[in-house]
Amino acid sequence: EADIYQTPRYLVIGTGKKITLECSQTMGHDKMYWYQQDPGMELHLIHYSYGVNSTEKGDLSSESTVSRIRTEHFPLTLESARPSHTSQYLCASRGTGLYQPQHFGDGTRLSIL
Amino acid sequence: AQRVTQPEKLLSVFKGAPVELKCNYSYSGSPELFWYVQYSRQRLQLLLRHISRESIKGFTADLNKGETSFHLKKPFAQEEDSAMYYCAISGGYQKVTFGTGTKLQVIP
Repeated sequence: EADIYQTPRYLVIGTGKKITLECSQTMGHDKMYWYQQDPGMELHLIHYSYGVNSTEKGDLSSESTVSRIRTEHFPLTLESARPSHTSQYLCASRGTGLYQPQHFGDGTRLSIL
Repeated sequence: AQRVTQPEKLLSVFKGAPVELKCNYSYSGSPELFWYVQYSRQRLQLLLRHISRESIKGFTADLNKGETSFHLKKPFAQEEDSAMYYCAISGGYQKVTFGTGTKLQVIP
């Protein structure tokens, strides 16, 4: 079934570790996005991509990095996790054309100790 | 720059009462506007987009370019409408920006 998948759903890890949050979609969408959201709060765009080998920073400055080597895959990496990175991270994808909605994953809830 | 403002963090209404969730935007061109909803423990999902001019779950939203608003309305609130509602705008470069969200609480 065409969908967008995020792994892991939950991650508790110590300070200083390198973390990669995975996001994959099987809808063939060109555009993909990462948002940071504390539960029930505002969504902050941190990265987005128009297609393979294209990435842009979003509205919220983030120490994370992203890559887009394949259309379906848009991982987010934190080289050295800190407690301030504790949050929920949402991945979304969007098809080509006007007025296309975003499709969101379940999110990864990250806790840095 | 594109921007969305949702002035109410929390809106409490009684079941059966009308609902209006406010959304104002700023964008110099012709934006694409959306309403998304997040029910408890569920994914964020599309509710409405301005181009479709349809009613979803009894909700409607009209784009008012003069007032740069895209308010979400429902004539009679139901308990199952309780959720977080986000207004979003997509302008140039396909970037999508969300408002701060409004929590709708429908009181039985």
